[in-house]
Amino acid sequence: AQKVTQAQTEISVVEKEDVTLDCVYETRDTTYYLFWYKQPPSGELVFLIRRNSFDEQNEISGRYSWNFQKSTSSFNFTITASQVVDSAVYFCALLRSPNFNKFYFGSGTKLNVKP
Amino acid sequence: AAGVIQSPRHLIKEKRETATLKCYPIPRHDTVYWYQQGPGQDPQFLISFYEKMQSDKGSIPDRFSAQQFSDYHSELNMSSLELGDSALYFCASSAVDLASYEQYFGPGTRLTVT
Repeated sequence: AQKVTQAQTEISVVEKEDVTLDCVYETRDTTYYLFWYKQPPSGELVFLIRRNSFDEQNEISGRYSWNFQKSTSSFNFTITASQVVDSAVYFCALLRSPNFNKFYFGSGTKLNVKP
Repeated sequence: AAGVIQSPRHLIKEKRETATLKCYPIPRHDTVYWYQQGPGQDPQFLISFYEKMQSDKGSIPDRFSAQQFSDYHSELNMSSLELGDSALYFCASSAVDLASYEQYFGPGTRLTVT
């Protein structure tokens, strides 16, 4: 069963628009970790943010912000004032107990930011 | 800061050949993970090692084997290669740190099987 769902396969926006990437996860664990990774066309996976299940405080970091809601099992990611360099595939990922040993990735959302 | 090193970055092999991918974790990281990402797909966990012992296993074919050496580097050996093995192979490393569980990914090895 899919543990991480990213329903948006591809999103296109024009530069300077705000964009929110959705992520819904599934786990019965009380302790788990959620991540967002960015994969630009060059292929590497770039770490963006980590949240543990006990930390529902949302955060803003520059143009990035996150909205973690346990009640709806969602961990959404927003880019404010998007830029062309934000164009990439974004993956949401889950680390589950007991070993926290392997990522369950979502299928990714491809973000196209047009000038 | 030092990152995870993977070699080679690109590899072209023919069907039924053998390939060996290498991963050098970040210094003082004791855990290594291997992931396979097919074209247009999300990364899939293959196998992990902690302190040179296999710690978890995912959907790794029997044709693949891996190990972690005393210097913590790891090698993924793939035999009898098939066209479907063409993918981007990521190695990641982490330190047993209860506060982070963050895996640092290498740049990947792109394997093409022809």
